[in-house]
Amino acid sequence: GIQVEQSPPDLILQEGANSTLRCNFSDSVNNLQWFHQNPWGQLINLFYIPSGTKQNGRLSATTVATERYSLLYISSSQTTDSGVYFCAGPGSGGGADGLTFGKGTHLIIQP
Amino acid sequence: NAGVTQTPKFRVLKTGQSMTLLCAQDMNHEYMYWYRQDPGMGLRLIHYSVGEGTTAKGEVPDGYNVSRLKKQNFLLGLESAAPSQTSVYFCASSSPAVPYNEQFFGPGTRLTVL
Repeated sequence: GIQVEQSPPDLILQEGANSTLRCNFSDSVNNLQWFHQNPWGQLINLFYIPSGTKQNGRLSATTVATERYSLLYISSSQTTDSGVYFCAGPGSGGGADGLTFGKGTHLIIQP
Repeated sequence: NAGVTQTPKFRVLKTGQSMTLLCAQDMNHEYMYWYRQDPGMGLRLIHYSVGEGTTAKGEVPDGYNVSRLKKQNFLLGLESAAPSQTSVYFCASSSPAVPYNEQFFGPGTRLTVL
């Protein structure tokens, strides 16, 4: 099945800084999602982005499907951005058989 | 619109006990999933269902059973709990419609097996 690797594993920044999180995947994807897991454990959908670029406020994401990577940009970080960011691609069947998750990037935003 | 809900939120079991986790969704999604999350790791798929009355195994199915008797509900059962099943369990649902298989998650159930 597809392999999903995220980098960096940990990131500590000051409030107001910008950051770029990377997700590499081993095969073509028809589904690529970014999630934020907040300190309370809740998984929040950020982007559904198998290709192209999307923006939502201070967050944006770009997936270059031909080169098998996706980037999540966070600008002007706030303490509420802290948590773990997961990238997930399709399962081994490529269809309805669930998502394959990376191990996540643990982001800490210090005031 | 509650989205995906899970019951219970927390549970402590003794080794060998059984329990059922309930997932419900009100988005009329065809697909439903059960994942587990262990410390420092991403989520791993346990079982999934592509429609009422159908289920299939995921990456880590051993020790679990599932049932989907109604479209909106997906049950995860542990027949004889083991300490290795201590984890946070997440349910998700999605649709085959566009955007294809965008998954939405419930709040999770934290299970401890002593």
